[in-house]
Amino acid sequence: GQQLNQSPQSMFIQEGEDVSMNCTSSSIFNTWLWYKQDPGEGPVLLIALYKAGELTSNGRLTAQFGITRKDSFLNISASIPSDVGIYFCAGRASGTYKYIFGTGTRLKVLA
Amino acid sequence: DVKVTQSSRYLVKRTGEKVFLECVQDMDHENMFWYRQDPGLGLRLIYFSYDVKMKEKGDIPEGYSVSREKKERFSLILESASTNQTSMYLCASSPSGTNEQYFGPGTRLTVT
Repeated sequence: GQQLNQSPQSMFIQEGEDVSMNCTSSSIFNTWLWYKQDPGEGPVLLIALYKAGELTSNGRLTAQFGITRKDSFLNISASIPSDVGIYFCAGRASGTYKYIFGTGTRLKVLA
Repeated sequence: DVKVTQSSRYLVKRTGEKVFLECVQDMDHENMFWYRQDPGLGLRLIYFSYDVKMKEKGDIPEGYSVSREKKERFSLILESASTNQTSMYLCASSPSGTNEQYFGPGTRLTVT
């Protein structure tokens, strides 16, 4: 099945730094979701986006729905050790229940 | 808060056994999903259901079946478990309006 191209695959950052990651697709989506997954746990929904150009924040996290509808971005400001985990994007086209998931960005924060 | 629960966190089964994975959600969501997650492959959709007794195949349905007799419960069945079905299995639910999917904690299944 189709998967989204998510980058970077992994990153090490220092505590306090800002983090950026993105997802791109060859298809147009009507909804973008961003999740975080801790080891051995299910993904937890962070942010949902429904409109091209939309910018939504959840605490230190900010996500954007790309204007082309084929990409989305997630930024984490002033990272802390508990931000460690895998971040996934997911996109959904109109007329379908199915989400396509990115392969994840593994984030490691160095104290 | 949305709550999606899965019957087991860890499960070990033998090749050829019939395996049932249960998922329950308490938010009256219409849609429920079963995924498997494997390193390097991300989340892949096995089956989903948009109503009681309704089901549709996802991207990798082979070797699996599902049952949804009640709105809150969605079961994944491995008729004859094989070693290549060793994986992390994730259940999710979503309301038909917002389309946001909420995941359970996952079941790590090992088939020996």
